[in-house]
Amino acid sequence: GENVEQHPSTLSVQEGDSAVIKCTYSDSASNYFPWYKQELGKRPQLIIDIRSNVGEKKDQRIAVTLNKTAKHFSLHITETQPEDSAVYFCAATLSGSARQLTFGSGTQLTVLP
Amino acid sequence: ETGVTQTPRHLVMGMTNKKSLKCEQHLGHNAMYWYKQSAKKPLELMFVYSLEERVENNSVPSRFSPECPNSSHLFLHLHTLQPEDSALYLCASSQDIQGYNEQFFGPGTRLTVL
Repeated sequence: GENVEQHPSTLSVQEGDSAVIKCTYSDSASNYFPWYKQELGKRPQLIIDIRSNVGEKKDQRIAVTLNKTAKHFSLHITETQPEDSAVYFCAATLSGSARQLTFGSGTQLTVLP
Repeated sequence: ETGVTQTPRHLVMGMTNKKSLKCEQHLGHNAMYWYKQSAKKPLELMFVYSLEERVENNSVPSRFSPECPNSSHLFLHLHTLQPEDSALYLCASSQDIQGYNEQFFGPGTRLTVL
């Protein structure tokens, strides 16, 4: 089955700086990679996803990059703001199948004012 | 309330108690999920239901018993739990069980087993 590793487990950045969170996956067949954000005391919510037919996807200050050869994908947050402080989870699965998402262990991002 | 709701939000129980967690989705989705979230661990998928039929059971101990009476409701019946079962239990739903569908999570039930 799929195995997803996520690093770092905690990350602190100054407001305005960039943050990068990296994930690696084991199953080369995986082709769908979402990222979920969970603010303190709240539910996880999808913030961005990428499919394996593209190498990068952007949505305002967040972007995700995918390297299929190396089997890793990353979340990039630019111009970080205090409201970006949360736990971020990456996940991987094979779309078009009934295989479920395998989540990483999460990264606690703290944006310092 | 719209989206996915869960009750109770907090639950404290002894090891000999029997309790149930409830999840309801108002999104017209066909798939529902139970996850266990422990500190500093990945979200652990416990059960998956598609159109009220269980399609996945990830080696979950029998002291956890799911029930899906219809596509909008999902229960998790708990009995004879252990302290290590203390965690946040999240319910989620999606349009169907295809992995690329966005999962919508409920607020969770914080369970403490004494």
